[in-house]
Amino acid sequence: AQKITQTQPGMFVQEKEAVTLDCTYDTSDPSYGLFWYKQPSSGEMIFLIYQGSYDQQNATEGRYSLNFQKARKSANLVISASQLGDSAMYFCAMREGNTGKLIFGQGTTLQVKP
Amino acid sequence: AAGVIQSPRHLIKEKRETATLKCYPIPRHDTVYWYQQGPGQDPQFLISFYEKMQSDKGSIPDRFSAQQFSDYHSELNMSSLELGDSALYFCASSLGTVSYNEQFFGPGTRLTVL
Repeated sequence: AQKITQTQPGMFVQEKEAVTLDCTYDTSDPSYGLFWYKQPSSGEMIFLIYQGSYDQQNATEGRYSLNFQKARKSANLVISASQLGDSAMYFCAMREGNTGKLIFGQGTTLQVKP
Repeated sequence: AAGVIQSPRHLIKEKRETATLKCYPIPRHDTVYWYQQGPGQDPQFLISFYEKMQSDKGSIPDRFSAQQFSDYHSELNMSSLELGDSALYFCASSLGTVSYNEQFFGPGTRLTVL
């Protein structure tokens, strides 16, 4: 069965430093997509970045990059130059094959310190 | 750009009452997903629709039902509400169901059952 694991319940990072949020996944489907969402305290789910299982290069979106290691089944999110506004809950999610639904990890709470 | 619209944003109900949550997907999106996020939990997939037909079903209680209408908006009907139904309910939409299509989330409906 498909599964997403985020082992870091909470993380702290100093403003302007980089931080890596871990995500591992398990699936038997060769076709899947991996997503990261940010959920601030206001509750909305904000899409950050996407990585497809067949993508050769790691995805990047501005200050966000995804360290995709397919053999290890990991898809870690790297946030560079952290800002105070980055303080939020971060969810890793997987979309498998043609089902479309997202399976979420438990989330990691990130706090950026000034 | 137009986003996913959910109404109402907040809803307070008593136990055993009914509730209807509405979702208006991004124009031209043909697929709608419903997720339930309990306090401190990750979002859990409930049900999805593609071209007005149910495409997948997750951990949705029998007390809940949903449908997608001809204009692609969707409604989640919840009956015999229980205290445990208190949660943030997200609707998301996408173009098709393939794994590389991004899901855009609405702002959510926060349901409180007293």
